[in-house]
Amino acid sequence: DAKTTQPPSMDCAEGRAANLPCNHSTISGNEYVYWYRQIHSQGPQYIIHGLKNNETNEMASLIITEDRKSSTLILPHATLRDTAVYYCIVRDNAGNMLTFGGGTRLMVKP
Amino acid sequence: DAGVTQSPTHLIKTRGQQVTLRCSPKSGHDTVSWYQQALGQGPQFIFQYYEEEERQRGNFPDRFSGHQFPNYSSELNVNALLLGDSALYLCASSFNGQGSYEQYFGPGTRLTVT
Repeated sequence: DAKTTQPPSMDCAEGRAANLPCNHSTISGNEYVYWYRQIHSQGPQYIIHGLKNNETNEMASLIITEDRKSSTLILPHATLRDTAVYYCIVRDNAGNMLTFGGGTRLMVKP
Repeated sequence: DAGVTQSPTHLIKTRGQQVTLRCSPKSGHDTVSWYQQALGQGPQFIFQYYEEEERQRGNFPDRFSGHQFPNYSSELNVNALLLGDSALYLCASSFNGQGSYEQYFGPGTRLTVT
């Protein structure tokens, strides 16, 4: 079973920041938070991951709370092409399987 | 740099038949995982191959089997196809070295069983 809880859907205006929350209250000390997204009919795309520090890359920023029980993925300037299902996944760093939950369907609107 | 590639793109089979799907990992990757994604759901893990052996397996019946070749490419075989096997089959590759093991996905093979 997925160890994360995400809202099923969210809307965001084009050009504004999209903030996607994720709860992972049972996360263990050696587990990372990963974010993937899946644009319609394509394979999931890796976005970012983190352990306890905030992370930023060219796609997004990941903010993890100090107690690590929740996190937020931030797309700083959402575009129509960011419309997708976003999955928050918790897993250890042993290279094993990803357990996908329902994800958040983000709709970016003009 | 070629990413993960899968073939074929689409496939239509009849109940009871057998199917083989193929995957070539991203350059530099040595581990291949397979996922099944039914319509409207998240991907479900089938199994993972590393060093030509099945390393981890999800909750799928023995009708689902796989293979990894010395060049790290992989095949997924499904025997005695059922209507419920209709899905998008995704292959993901990763590198089993030190690091964070992020998996990179291919575009998938859409299997329709009639």
